[in-house]
Amino acid sequence: GAGVSQSPSNKVTEKGKDVELRCDPISGHTALYWYRQSLGQGLEFLIYFQGNSAPDKSGLPSDRFSAERTGGSVSTLTIQRTQQEDSAVYLCASSFPGRAFFGQGTRLTVV
Amino acid sequence: AQKITQTQPGMFVQEKEAVTLDCTYDTSDQSYGLFWYKQPSSGEMIFLIYQGSYDEQNATEGRYSLNFQKARKSANLVISASQLGDSAMYFCAMRELSGGYQKVTFGTGTKLQVIP
Repeated sequence: GAGVSQSPSNKVTEKGKDVELRCDPISGHTALYWYRQSLGQGLEFLIYFQGNSAPDKSGLPSDRFSAERTGGSVSTLTIQRTQQEDSAVYLCASSFPGRAFFGQGTRLTVV
Repeated sequence: AQKITQTQPGMFVQEKEAVTLDCTYDTSDQSYGLFWYKQPSSGEMIFLIYQGSYDEQNATEGRYSLNFQKARKSANLVISASQLGDSAMYFCAMRELSGGYQKVTFGTGTKLQVIP
């Protein structure tokens, strides 16, 4: 596609359920980033992929959070046993190298 | 140490005035790039301006300019003649070589509010 695509755009889930957020980067972009952004706040780095490997996963808040990337393309961020504090917008970006292009984000609401 | 530091969580500016958003960075690379992004309330991330570490001239894009001071490791964004539509979050970012790959790191952002 022409840009970074994230799905779903909105997700409402019950506390304790698992969720999967998907990011489809720009074709050929080797680097992929996940960020979390609470309302009106800055970007919180979660994880960085280069190809299929994750050289930097230092931002994952807890072991409930995991991410993978397959085929050097699509990435999935999984949150297990969601908590209300996980409610935020999850942004994905890709780059090759140069500037990062962002998706529109997934707004996650845990009720 | 933080790779990108934005010390102003929030700022106000009068419409039609100029405003400077601060950004300092930390890298040992000789070749790197600096970016600014704007995020309006709609949530999209809009690329504004880019400065390469070897660029001798400060980058300029319309009302945006990047005040690049290499020795001080600062890359401040200057917005001239502020408009109400400039109210947004602004993020500074740096591209550098990390572990053999180019990696982009973002600052925490500055929320700018333009007052009529």
